[in-house]
Amino acid sequence: NAGVTQTPKFQVLKTGQSMTLQCAQDMNHNSMYWYRQDPGMGLRLIYYSASEGTTDKGEVPNGYNVSRLNKREFSLRLESAAPSQTSVYFCASSVIPRTETYNEQFFGPGTRLTVL
Amino acid sequence: QKEVEQNSGPLSVPEGAIASLNCTYSDRVSQSFFWYRQYSGKSPELIMSIYSNGDKEDGRFTAQLNKASQYVSLLIRDSQPSDSATYLCAVNGPGTYKYIFGTGTRLKVLA
Repeated sequence: NAGVTQTPKFQVLKTGQSMTLQCAQDMNHNSMYWYRQDPGMGLRLIYYSASEGTTDKGEVPNGYNVSRLNKREFSLRLESAAPSQTSVYFCASSVIPRTETYNEQFFGPGTRLTVL
Repeated sequence: QKEVEQNSGPLSVPEGAIASLNCTYSDRVSQSFFWYRQYSGKSPELIMSIYSNGDKEDGRFTAQLNKASQYVSLLIRDSQPSDSATYLCAVNGPGTYKYIFGTGTRLKVLA
């Protein structure tokens, strides 16, 4: 039981390049999330998927797209990377509770992205 | 005004002491509250969740919630050097799956 896995662990891009960050979970969770973490800014939600087939914007969605490929996988795409997207990216997942309360999220190991 | 506020620290405590970490939130109707521990270079790890007013204990950790005063705290008893990390407070807004995170408090436990 690997929990939440992310690939790659590290990535360096040049401005304007594109890439996709991959996330998978094996906990049979319904909801998945993408965050970025920057010094002094804390964790900020980029996009989330409450259930398979749905995606919604979070706090900082500009410059990103997501795909909920199936129940296990949720990918984050940068179409044209910018230096402002240099950050650590975390994927998380949670089981759908009876209500949105009790929404315990579990995080993957992260991807460190540098855009030059 | 930040929605979830934490003192950035560092909070330094001697080994064996009680560490007290505090978090305040602005949305009065928030329903769920979480504490995560994050070691340097690692991902956040859930250590406590609390949903009702009062105390919740799990081993050396106690979470305290006071909805009237809009704060949640984390007590770590018998602090160990291995507890040195950044502690993140997260609040789940009403009617949403979205967390709002504080920026974290850095804890240093001195041997």
